[in-house]
Amino acid sequence: EPEVTQTPSHQVTQMGQEVILRCVPISNHLYFYWYRQILGQKVEFLVSFYNNEISEKSEIFDDQFSVERPDGSNFTLKIRSTKLEDSAMYFCASSEPSGGTFFGPGTRLTVL
Amino acid sequence: DAKTTQPPSMDCAEGRAANLPCNHSTISGNEYVYWYRQIHSQGPQYIIHGLKNNETNEMASLIITEDRKSSTLILPHATLRDTAVYYCIVRPRPEAGANNLFFGTGTRLTVIP
Repeated sequence: EPEVTQTPSHQVTQMGQEVILRCVPISNHLYFYWYRQILGQKVEFLVSFYNNEISEKSEIFDDQFSVERPDGSNFTLKIRSTKLEDSAMYFCASSEPSGGTFFGPGTRLTVL
Repeated sequence: DAKTTQPPSMDCAEGRAANLPCNHSTISGNEYVYWYRQIHSQGPQYIIHGLKNNETNEMASLIITEDRKSSTLILPHATLRDTAVYYCIVRPRPEAGANNLFFGTGTRLTVIP
């Protein structure tokens, strides 16, 4: 069964450093997303991406964040200068127009 | 998106049916009901969605009331692996662009041996 994959599973970084989280969405899906979940809190929508551009973003997704689909299979989330409060699980997801959304296993980001 | 209300927690005996309710009294005509679950710290898992007819798949059944103001997710034979937080989310029709999801606090289902 096709699935969304994410790498790395755990990323530790120093405050102020740049990180890139990587995802491979399900191959025939057209919509891609990033969500995050701070420990003990709700899953929060960050951004959706379609046809090589952002279709919607939340208030959380400020200028420190960017997304890219560098090739036909990968989808990345970059955080330019990490802050302590960026520590969270980051989930990538993808969907078809008429179905459910499928999530990856997540990347645990720890900012020290 | 229409607001949903779910009980914070429920228990269910292993092997019995788990019936998880959701109220969405302000749902509008073009909004679907989606159910997802999150097992511990894993990524949310899509379960099922529907508009107004009852739906069934290999995981669960979704019963939507005739007035569409509430729904029930049914896991017919709950197992210990079904212990998770279950989210009911109401969203516009999936054909209308990206399907951004806004998660609430859901129902924590505990399946008891």
